[in-house]
Amino acid sequence: GAVVSQHPSWVICKSGTSVKIECRSLDFQATTMFWYRQFPKQSLMLMATSNEGSKATYEQGVEKDKFLINHASLTLSTLTVTSAHPEDSSFYICSAPTGQGGSYEQYFGPGTRLTVT
Amino acid sequence: DQQVKQNSPSLSVQEGRISILNCDYTNSMFDYFLWYKKYPAEGPTFLISISSIKDKNEDGRFTVFLNKSAKHLSLHIVPSQPGDSAVYFCAARPSGGYQKVTFGTGTKLQVIP
Repeated sequence: GAVVSQHPSWVICKSGTSVKIECRSLDFQATTMFWYRQFPKQSLMLMATSNEGSKATYEQGVEKDKFLINHASLTLSTLTVTSAHPEDSSFYICSAPTGQGGSYEQYFGPGTRLTVT
Repeated sequence: DQQVKQNSPSLSVQEGRISILNCDYTNSMFDYFLWYKKYPAEGPTFLISISSIKDKNEDGRFTVFLNKSAKHLSLHIVPSQPGDSAVYFCAARPSGGYQKVTFGTGTKLQVIP
């Protein structure tokens, strides 16, 4: 199947600083990528849809000025958590759909564990 | 509003027996359904999917059944193996290309050797 990578796999930062998380599609081009976050023992919550060459689409309740998304190329989307606070600590996962085989399955990255102290 | 629901947060099954994981949805626009397997601190791994034009799809030990009138789907794993122990997420999306996927709350499956 298609491969999606994320970097870093985990990061610890101080409150008030910004953190950038990268999501790459390694063996296919992705005009669209999705960003999710997962709280402990909860489902994956879609945060935003990242579109190459245009602005991201944010889900209701997600602060677009806090979670900056940039989809600069067909293989890279970045999520920047600005002025991070402890409540932003979570597991962030990206995914990219691919139409290989016509199935349009979403392939997920391994996730990034963010801890804000 | 939880559009995709997995009412059983956990399930324990003996090795070799059948595991049945259930999922219900409410949005009539959902046209394509997926099951993902997830280990802690990892991203979900795609398992199997089904289009609304079908009522069954099989891939090895995994079979997904869809009852569109009841807005219900299930994942059957036969025979269950200890390596199947993980959290399973049901997901759904509308038809057409790169639509966003809505996930259920997950069911933690434990297969007992």
